[in-house]
Order: sequence, then structure tokens, then C-alpha cells
Amino acid sequence: EVQLVQSGAEVKKPGESLKISCKASGYNFGYYWIGWLRQTPGKGLEWMGIIYPGDSDPRYNPSFDGRVTISADKSSTTAYLQWDSLQASDTAIYFCARRGPGSGSVGYYFHYWGQGTLVTVSS
Amino acid sequence: SYELTQPPSVSVSPGQTASIACSGDELGQKYASWYQQKPGQSPVLVIYQTTKRPSGIPERFSGSNSGNTATLTISGTQTVDEADYYCQAYDSSAVYVFGPGTKVTVL
Repeated sequence: EVQLVQSGAEVKKPGESLKISCKASGYNFGYYWIGWLRQTPGKGLEWMGIIYPGDSDPRYNPSFDGRVTISADKSSTTAYLQWDSLQASDTAIYFCARRGPGSGSVGYYFHYWGQGTLVTVSS
Repeated sequence: SYELTQPPSVSVSPGQTASIACSGDELGQKYASWYQQKPGQSPVLVIYQTTKRPSGIPERFSGSNSGNTATLTISGTQTVDEADYYCQAYDSSAVYVFGPGTKVTVL
């Protein structure tokens, strides 16, 4: 059974750093892209970026490029999303999700999702 | 940037058919996906590659795509289908784009 288990809720102050995780199990971690998505009441679901754990090749939504870093560790089958300096506008629920299989457009959807991590940034 | 539009809400009576439209430039030439999200839960994939249902998704969920509009159809809608539904496509600029979501109310 494919499972993505995310780390727990976080409360941080503006300017602080943060790294949240997504532990994958039930499949070959290195063979499927894992994406990170943000959900806020005002902006709905937004794709932030995606990584191929096989070679740790990340791709970013231009809207988030330079604001976050996506990484993956094959040895622990865990993907990460990190910020160096949080802002209040980063308050949201963050989901990791496994992309569909294969290369090309046939796999451009998110099949399995983590339970979400609530990040609250407030002074 | 590429955008997808959806109606904010759709109301349907139990047992009737609900149709949710998702519009975007040349969407008919892309694969569309649909996700169901209930309050406090993660999204669930209900349609991928425009017309396919993942294992475990009831047959009453179906998808189609023509021109600039993709459509999610729920036939014989049940009260358990009350949720937010998001469409999603992949843009040629290498971005996964989501629609704003449609709240389906079954009453």
C-alpha cells in the first residue's frame, strides 16, 4: 500500500527557517516524482515544485522558485520542503503527493497524497 | 500564465447528475485530472488522463474533454459526494495548474 506520511504541524515566527518532511512507503521511492503543493483559503491549491528522488532532480513553479528548496533522501525514502526565512504569507497547509507513473504527459497528475502539514507563521 | 476556471458552486439533488466544467485555453489538447476534497481531508484523485478512474473510485464518476472545456460528471449523485472538486492540467510552461475549485452541494 502506497503511503505518504507528513511531519506534524508547525508554528513559527517570521524570519525563522523550517524543513517539513514526507515519508514514503509501499513502492520504489526512486522511480516516482513527488510534488509539494500549498493550500490556502484564498488561493486554493497551488503546485510548488516536484522532485525525482532517483537523481534528486527538483523542478520549481516559477512563483515559488528561490523561496523554497525541495530535496529527497533515497536512503530514508523521505522528501523535504524547506524555507530559509518564513513569512506570514507562508501560512498554509502543505501537501506532498506522488505523481503518476511514467514520463511525458500521461503521468502529469497526483495520485497519492500525504495527510498535509499545517504551517502557521505568526509573530 | 496558464489559468483554469471553474464555477464556484454546483447544487444537485440526490440521484441526479452533477456536471462540473473546467475551462482553459486549448484544454482539450491536454490531459485533465480531477480531485475530490472533503473538509479537513487531503485531495483524492477521482479522474486522471481526462477519462480514467483510479482503482476504488465509483463508476458514477466520469470525465470528458472537448475544445477548451473538461467536464467531471457525477451520475446518480449521493450525499457522500458532497465536497470540493478541483480540476488540474499540465501547462506547456512546465507548471501543474489547478482550477479554483467547485463546491458540490447535494440537497
